[in-house]
Amino acid sequence: RKEVEQDPGPFNVPEGATVAFNCTYSNSASQSFFWYRQDCRKEPKLLMSVYSSGNEDGRFTAQLNRASQYISLLIRDSKLSDSATYLCAVKPNTGGFKTIFGAGTRLFVKA
Amino acid sequence: DAGVTQSPTHLIKTRGQHVTLRCSPISGHKSVSWYQQVLGQGPQFIFQYYEKEERGRGNFPDRFSARQFPNYSSELNVNALLLGDSALYLCASSLVGSRRLNTGELFFGEGSRLTVL
Repeated sequence: RKEVEQDPGPFNVPEGATVAFNCTYSNSASQSFFWYRQDCRKEPKLLMSVYSSGNEDGRFTAQLNRASQYISLLIRDSKLSDSATYLCAVKPNTGGFKTIFGAGTRLFVKA
Repeated sequence: DAGVTQSPTHLIKTRGQHVTLRCSPISGHKSVSWYQQVLGQGPQFIFQYYEKEERGRGNFPDRFSARQFPNYSSELNVNALLLGDSALYLCASSLVGSRRLNTGELFFGEGSRLTVL
């Protein structure tokens, strides 16, 4: 089993739609969780950290479910510019400083 | 302020050759991590350095090595290149020890795209 798993998609949605991605992780001791966005042939950029209480940043909402070991990302009112690959990242409490990434979920938002 | 800088941005090598990739972290960041990303996959952890010491190593062969210098810049070296080493090599810096709730946010450079023929 992979340490961090994501549905690769692609998700094809129309502008204005709401779309949700889930990501599961295997290490129950994991402490820090993140969503990164990666545009085609570019570097990943931090979208948001995921807090235990959940957090929201504009149209983006992230949730953490420790019991089921998954995190989610909800995008409301999708824009064309949201088209990208969304990477889930988990930082285990053990294992030093490494951050483990999922394979990413591709999102295409169409007019 | 300058972000993470990497060089070279693109390079082509042949099998068996050696490559050195360089990275300068964001000013004030003492931690540098290296990742390998092949097409269609997420970044795979190779190394993490903090205060010039290796703090983490991923599941990569000994052909991969790295070091961090006193100015916190870093080099990734790959010997005896294989076709399968073709990938985007990403360097990320982070502010380890931050008081923020979620430490460890990574700031990536644009990467070095290596093609092995």
